Amino acid sequence: GAVVSQHPSRVICKSGTSVKIECRSLDFQATTMFWYRQFPKQSLMLMATSNEGSKATYEQGVEKDKFLINHASLTLSTLTVTSAHPEDSSFYICSALGRGSYEQYFGPGTRLTVT
Amino acid sequence: DQQVKQNSPSLSVQEGRISILNCDYTNSMFDYFLWYKKYPAEGPTFLISISSIKDKNEDGRFTVFLNKSAKHLSLHIVPSQPGDSAVYFCAARGGAGGKLIFGQGTELSVKP
Repeated sequence: GAVVSQHPSRVICKSGTSVKIECRSLDFQATTMFWYRQFPKQSLMLMATSNEGSKATYEQGVEKDKFLINHASLTLSTLTVTSAHPEDSSFYICSALGRGSYEQYFGPGTRLTVT
Repeated sequence: DQQVKQNSPSLSVQEGRISILNCDYTNSMFDYFLWYKKYPAEGPTFLISISSIKDKNEDGRFTVFLNKSAKHLSLHIVPSQPGDSAVYFCAARGGAGGKLIFGQGTELSVKP
């Protein structure tokens, strides 16, 4: 299957700082990338959808000024958590969708801990 | 409003037997359904999918059945192996742009 990478896999930051998470599709061009977060023992909650070269579409209840998404190329999307708070601590997962494809391929996830 | 539901949070099966994971949905506009397998602290791995115009799709040990009238799909794994132990998510594709709606997940444990 297609390969999607995320970096970093794990990050610890202090309250008030910003953290950037990268998502890359390694062997295909991703016209659309998705960002999810998952709390322990819960489902994946879609945060936003990003299309290359356009603004991200955020799900209801997700603050677009706090979770900045940039999809600058067909192989890279970034999620920046700005002014992080301890309640932002979570597992963040991206996925990528190729042109004309139905299956989303997921990255390995990033564990964010805000102290 | 949970549009995709997996009502069994966990399932335990003996090795070699069949595992049946169930999923219900409420939105008849969903056009594509997928099953993902997930280990802790990892991203989900795509397993198998089915279009809403079909009622069955088989891939090796994995078969997905879709009952549109009942708005129900199931994943059958046979024979089950200890390596199948993981959390399984069903997802439905709806709306523009390929957005997926996930169920809550079912944790499968296959005992040797």
